[in-house]
Amino acid sequence: SYELTQPPSVSVSPGQTARITCSGDALTKKYGYWYQQKSGQAPVLVIYEDTKRPSGIPERFSGSSSGTLATLTIDGAQVEDEADYYCFSTDISGNHRVFGGGTKLTVL
Amino acid sequence: EVHLVQSGPEVKKSGESLRISCKTSGYTFNDYWVGWVRQMPGEGLEWMGVIYPGDSDTRYSPSFQGQVTISADKSTTTAYLQWGSLKASDAAMYYCGRVLLGSGTYYSFDVWGQGTMVTVSS
Repeated sequence: SYELTQPPSVSVSPGQTARITCSGDALTKKYGYWYQQKSGQAPVLVIYEDTKRPSGIPERFSGSSSGTLATLTIDGAQVEDEADYYCFSTDISGNHRVFGGGTKLTVL
Repeated sequence: EVHLVQSGPEVKKSGESLRISCKTSGYTFNDYWVGWVRQMPGEGLEWMGVIYPGDSDTRYSPSFQGQVTISADKSTTTAYLQWGSLKASDAAMYYCGRVLLGSGTYYSFDVWGQGTMVTVSS
């Protein structure tokens, strides 16, 4: 079955740039989506179709994709950005939708 | 404003049936796919499946095909997730979500419910 691979954890100091990666063979042809899930809360979509930001999401959140790697970047990470982040996409057939295993972002 | 409000926590025994709900408002229910995501305790997110209320077309993840049933009631703009016989391994938080318009076969969610916790005891 298809898998998306994320680092288990990323840690930055407030104001630094946080980068979270997501690796998957099909990402060369498929979009990546990113979700933020704070402790005890439902997920929130922060990036869709690799680079697009939904309304209401701060500009410090951005996405990119190159080859088999999608990346979520938080420029000037803030303490309130501490959360688990999940990438999401499909396999090359488009028939199997998967989330990455999640990355715990610590900002302190 | 778009809202998805899920039913309350459930405590069930193995072998019992269960249906949880997701009441939607603030948009045209028939025009958007809506679906479900599982999150087992301390674990990540798992995409389960979606339904298009306009014609009840459904898509299931292979991992959940045959294990659950997704349905929708247009008259009450409510989506449902149903089990015929619960297992201990079904214990989890379940989230409903509205599919992002234009996301095609990705069926990614742009608005989420608050989650329903399902506890299953043996």
